[in-house]
Amino acid sequence: AQSVTQPDIHITVSEGASLELRCNYSYGATPYLFWYVQSPGQGLQLLLKYFSGDTLVQGIKGFEAEFKRSQSSFNLRKPSVHWSDAAEYFCAVASRGAQKLVFGQGTRLTINP
Amino acid sequence: KAGVTQTPRYLIKTRGQQVTLSCSPISGHRSVSWYQQTPGQGLQFLFEYFSETQRNKGNFPGRFSGRQFSNSRSEMNVSTLELGDSALYLCASSKVGVTGDEQYFGPGTRLTVT
Repeated sequence: AQSVTQPDIHITVSEGASLELRCNYSYGATPYLFWYVQSPGQGLQLLLKYFSGDTLVQGIKGFEAEFKRSQSSFNLRKPSVHWSDAAEYFCAVASRGAQKLVFGQGTRLTINP
Repeated sequence: KAGVTQTPRYLIKTRGQQVTLSCSPISGHRSVSWYQQTPGQGLQFLFEYFSETQRNKGNFPGRFSGRQFSNSRSEMNVSTLELGDSALYLCASSKVGVTGDEQYFGPGTRLTVT
């Protein structure tokens, strides 16, 4: 079965520090890959997506993610976090031909001042 | 441009009742998807409609149903509500589908079943 794993339920980093959120997927073929962010009481906002091509993807708000086929991973990174980055982050995948997202359990990010 | 609109934003229902949630997609978007978000199960796909046709369906019981109108607006219905149906229901729209272009999410409808 297709699955997405975000190993870290909760991460705390200091403002200005670098960030890496992990995401691993289990799929038969290379899926479409996404990262979304959800602030309290809000819907989801797309940060970035990978469909094909360059494995390092740039997104909004200074985020980037790297697709590593050999590790079935799509980790999200940011060089310097801001207090406004505190939110829940979801990794998601979609298989080619299926118009649905399968989400990981999410990683809650807390920023220390 | 206006975003995805969901109504109502909050809803309280009693077990056994039924409920209808509404989603108005971004103008020009023909694909509408529904997701259920709960603390225990996370985000789970319910169904997706494109041009009034259901293209994909998740693993939910038949009590969960949906439809899409010719103007792309979508509704989902849950009959015979159970306590476990308490959740945030999110609607998302896109022009052709999640694998074709960006999917925009609405703020959700918070359903509480008592």
